Amino acid sequence: RKEVEQDPGPFNVPEGATVAFNCTYSNSASQSFFWYRQDCRKEPKLLMSVYSSGNEDGRFTAQLNRASQYISLLIRDSKLSDSATYLCVVNPLPGAGSYQLTFGKGTKLSVIP
Amino acid sequence: EAGVAQSPRYKIIEKRQSVAFWCNPISGHATLYWYQQILGQGPKLLIQFQNNGVVDDSQLPKDRFSAERLKGVDSTLKIQPAKLEDSAVYLCASSLKVGGLSGNTIYFGEGSWLTVV
Repeated sequence: RKEVEQDPGPFNVPEGATVAFNCTYSNSASQSFFWYRQDCRKEPKLLMSVYSSGNEDGRFTAQLNRASQYISLLIRDSKLSDSATYLCVVNPLPGAGSYQLTFGKGTKLSVIP
Repeated sequence: EAGVAQSPRYKIIEKRQSVAFWCNPISGHATLYWYQQILGQGPKLLIQFQNNGVVDDSQLPKDRFSAERLKGVDSTLKIQPAKLEDSAVYLCASSLKVGGLSGNTIYFGEGSWLTVV
């Protein structure tokens, strides 16, 4: 099982649609979870951290299920500007040691007018 | 605030040649990372520095890759000799603190695009 697995995509959705990305991770001791966004030919940028209680930032909602080792990202009311690759990211090492972020391959989203 | 600076942005070399990439992290950031991102993949950590010491280089192919951060600020990543499979984007990143602490965001540079022919 790969350390971080994501939906293969690509996702092509119309403007205004709701889209959900899923991600699973293999290391049950993982402590930190994130979603990064990467535009074409650009660097990854932090979209949001994922907390155990779930968290929301505007149109974006992230959830974590530790029992199932599963992370999700929900985007409501999709905008053209949401078109990007969304990377699921896990820090598999507990505590404050090496910050070896492990990235999934990413899921490409295209929002269509 | 200035971001993570990298150079060169693009480099094309022949296999078996050498190449070096330079990175200047965000001012005050103690931790610096080099990631390799192959097309269609997520970034993979090559090496992590805290100040000028190596924290993690377990995934660095040490027979051909080397990196240093001599004064705890700038860093260089070198590949010698290059192979075709080294074609990738080399992303430098930095964070204020070390470790997976809450709020310790990692900021990436725009990357150095390497093509080995």
